[in-house]
Amino acid sequence: GAGVSQSPSNKVTEKGKDVELRCDPISGHTALYWYRQSLGQGLEFLIYFQGNSAPDKSGLPSDRFSAERTGGSVSTLTIQRTQQEDSAVYLCASSLAFGASYEQYFGPGTRLTVT
Amino acid sequence: TQLLEQSPQFLSIQEGENLTVYCNSSSVFSSLQWYRQEPGEGPVLLVTVVTGGEVKKLKRLTFQFGDARKDSSLHITAAQPGDTGLYLCAGEGLGDSWGKLQFGAGTQVVVTP
Repeated sequence: GAGVSQSPSNKVTEKGKDVELRCDPISGHTALYWYRQSLGQGLEFLIYFQGNSAPDKSGLPSDRFSAERTGGSVSTLTIQRTQQEDSAVYLCASSLAFGASYEQYFGPGTRLTVT
Repeated sequence: TQLLEQSPQFLSIQEGENLTVYCNSSSVFSSLQWYRQEPGEGPVLLVTVVTGGEVKKLKRLTFQFGDARKDSSLHITAAQPGDTGLYLCAGEGLGDSWGKLQFGAGTQVVVTP
């Protein structure tokens, strides 16, 4: 079956522009997670969704970051007025339900470069 | 914030050698997971340990959770080139952090033929 897919795979943008990153989770997975991985760093938790709601947005680095999920499926992570420090790989994962006892399946990520 | 420190950061060994990767924290975790990540891909879950002192074996990989549930180790016996990758540990926190994973920075393992 299809795994988690993300698009685009690579995105180069100029400082100050807005970008949208898309995540298609595994069908039937109610939980969806966004992480950021900078060079030489581990994964930084950004936000998670249970269905369409995001109970905890405290992991988002600034108010330039927002995320939504519609129809309990596709999610979009939006970064407004991008900065060079936003350059990283953005990973999405999904699981059957929320909680570490449910295996998270990761997508291949979107590599964002802000010039 | 519960910090997970992994050591070493980088490990290069010859095929057939053994290696151990460590994951340490001053905080207690309700569970701990190990992942392997290859270039251009997302991490893939290898194992979850939940009980202090627990030891799990996955073929040539042995995972141990510390008695106090603050640290873990991954031991690979007779490493093969296919074991090359970035090994990440991730802890599930307690209380308000339940369900959310805190990742270490990873250990890059390179196994040469």
